[in-house]
Amino acid sequence: QVQLQESGPGLVKPSETLSLTCSVSGGSMSRHYWSWIRQPPGKGLEWIGNVYNSDTTKYNPSLKGRVSISVDTSKNQFSLKLSSVTAADTAVYYCAREPDDISRGDLDCWGQGTLVTVSS
Amino acid sequence: DIQMTQSPSTLSASVGDRVTITCRANQSIYNWLAWYQQRPGKAPHLLIYKASTLETGVPSRFSGSGSGTEFTLTINSLQPDDFATYYCQQYHSYRTFGQGTKVDIK
Repeated sequence: QVQLQESGPGLVKPSETLSLTCSVSGGSMSRHYWSWIRQPPGKGLEWIGNVYNSDTTKYNPSLKGRVSISVDTSKNQFSLKLSSVTAADTAVYYCAREPDDISRGDLDCWGQGTLVTVSS
Repeated sequence: DIQMTQSPSTLSASVGDRVTITCRANQSIYNWLAWYQQRPGKAPHLLIYKASTLETGVPSRFSGSGSGTEFTLTINSLQPDDFATYYCQQYHSYRTFGQGTKVDIK
């Protein structure tokens, strides 16, 4: 059974870069899209972006070029970088997997989430 | 951009009730829609994909319908575990979530 686990700093200063890693265990990373989603405290879910096979990425246009997602299949990990953060980027960040099925873009496996607070 | 709008934002119901949540897209997304349940402090959990296909292990009291721009999630005979927040998500173009519908106890 595939398990995902987010890791990274829980506190980031304004204007700095938020960096998180998602470790994937119990399954292969090939033939899946890997996504990041966030949820500000008390609010709804926002899709950040996804990556496929190291060379295909899609990002939420609302993040205006601040986001980068990469994958390291040798380590069974994928990563998120969000630059120039502000308090509005404070959220629980989730990593998740899309199924091995080209006709699906739902998210069938999620990490537990990690809270990142942006504050000086 | 594809926008997803859920209604209602909050729904009060009792155990045993039949509950319906609506999700509307601002353009056709065919049947590229998923539904999730999120309990407080937990990650979302996939219930339905392709608008009406029940994810493995999800109780049959959950069902989804719709296509194009209007979709519904129905919970038949609401159970205590079902009091949670529900989100729709489109995957026709990029990915977008609805704002959520909280189902609470009447």
